[in-house]
Amino acid sequence: RKEVEQDPGPFNVPEGATVAFNCTYSNSASQSFFWYRQDCRKEPKLLMSVYSSGNEDGRFTAQLNRASQYISLLIRDSKLSDSATYLCVVNQAGTALIFGKGTTLSVSS
Amino acid sequence: NAGVTQTPKFQVLKTGQSMTLQCAQDMNHEYMSWYRQDPGMGLRLIHYSVGAGITDQGEVPNGYNVSRSTTEDFPLRLLSAAPSQTSVYFCASSYSAGLDGYTFGSGTRLTVV
Repeated sequence: RKEVEQDPGPFNVPEGATVAFNCTYSNSASQSFFWYRQDCRKEPKLLMSVYSSGNEDGRFTAQLNRASQYISLLIRDSKLSDSATYLCVVNQAGTALIFGKGTTLSVSS
Repeated sequence: NAGVTQTPKFQVLKTGQSMTLQCAQDMNHEYMSWYRQDPGMGLRLIHYSVGAGITDQGEVPNGYNVSRSTTEDFPLRLLSAAPSQTSVYFCASSYSAGLDGYTFGSGTRLTVV
């Protein structure tokens, strides 16, 4: 079983739509959680960290459920510029990041 | 402040050749790691380091060597290149055990023929 699993998509949505991505992780020792964004095989860039209390950054909301080992990302009012691959990432302290395979989002006008 | 610098950006190797991918960071980060990215496979961890003199294997270490003699540099060596090592390689670094996320270099695109 892959340590971090995501629905690969693609998710094709119109501008203005709300879209949600889900992710599960298998290692209960995981200590920190992130969503990264990657454009056209450029380097991944940190979108936001994910906390148990949930956190929001503008149109983006991330949630973590440690009991279910489940992470989510909600994007509201999608923009063309949101088109990218979204990577669910977990980290155990003292090791390195473990990536899901990514979910592709395409926003169209 | 250059961040994470990877060289070269592109490389073509013949099967059996060896080479070193360079990674340097100027942020005094203790944690560094190497990933490879292949279509449909996501980013897979090759090797990582939690400080100078300390390295460990990730998910796909075979065919690669690393060393960490300084905090700044974390080179990745391909011992005898194979076509299966054709990939995009990313180096990343972090200050706080990765708890605040990692900063990535722009990648090295390697083709082995």
